[in-house]
Amino acid sequence: AQSVAQPEDQVNVAEGNPLTVKCTYSVSGNPYLFWYVQYPNRGLQFLLKYITGDNLVKGSYGFEAEFNKSQTSFHLKKPSALVSDSALYFCAVRAPNDYKLSFGAGTTVTVRA
Amino acid sequence: AAGVIQSPRHLIKEKRETATLKCYPIPRHDTVYWYQQGPGQDPQFLISFYEKMQSDKGSIPDRFSAQQFSDYHSELNMSSLELGDSALYFCASSEGTGNYGYTFGSGTRLTVV
Repeated sequence: AQSVAQPEDQVNVAEGNPLTVKCTYSVSGNPYLFWYVQYPNRGLQFLLKYITGDNLVKGSYGFEAEFNKSQTSFHLKKPSALVSDSALYFCAVRAPNDYKLSFGAGTTVTVRA
Repeated sequence: AAGVIQSPRHLIKEKRETATLKCYPIPRHDTVYWYQQGPGQDPQFLISFYEKMQSDKGSIPDRFSAQQFSDYHSELNMSSLELGDSALYFCASSEGTGNYGYTFGSGTRLTVV
């Protein structure tokens, strides 16, 4: 079975500071990893994914994530957070022989001006 | 660019009634996934279809059924609705098993009263 853990329910940062949202995963085989963002009453918007290749993945809106196989982690990062980054962030994993995504519990990011 | 279209956006039903949610995937996407997101919860996988055949099944109640039609759109049928069915229902689509990513619709918010 595959699973995702997002250890922090909430992350609070000041605008202009670095933002990190943590994610660890458990899956059989090589993981397919995704980050999505959800604004209130909206759908899930894709940020980035890792399937293979370079461990550092760059995505939308200046976000990036680093795949670390030994630590089974895929932390989301942004060097300089914006107030508009305030949202709910979900990490998701898929096993290589599966179709569906399994989501973490989500992390609420609040960026204060 | 075309996105995943879900209808209706909002739906209010009474207990024991029936609801039908529709999902229109991105053109050329042949796989559709349904997720249920309760208040403050992460999305939970319900069911998926690939090329009009069920490809995977998650925590979908027996009161729910779904299918994918020849034009690849999908419908989620929910009968004998319960208060606990109130949630945001997401549809996602992908090309094949999602190696190129998944695109989510904006969701249907179902409220059972």
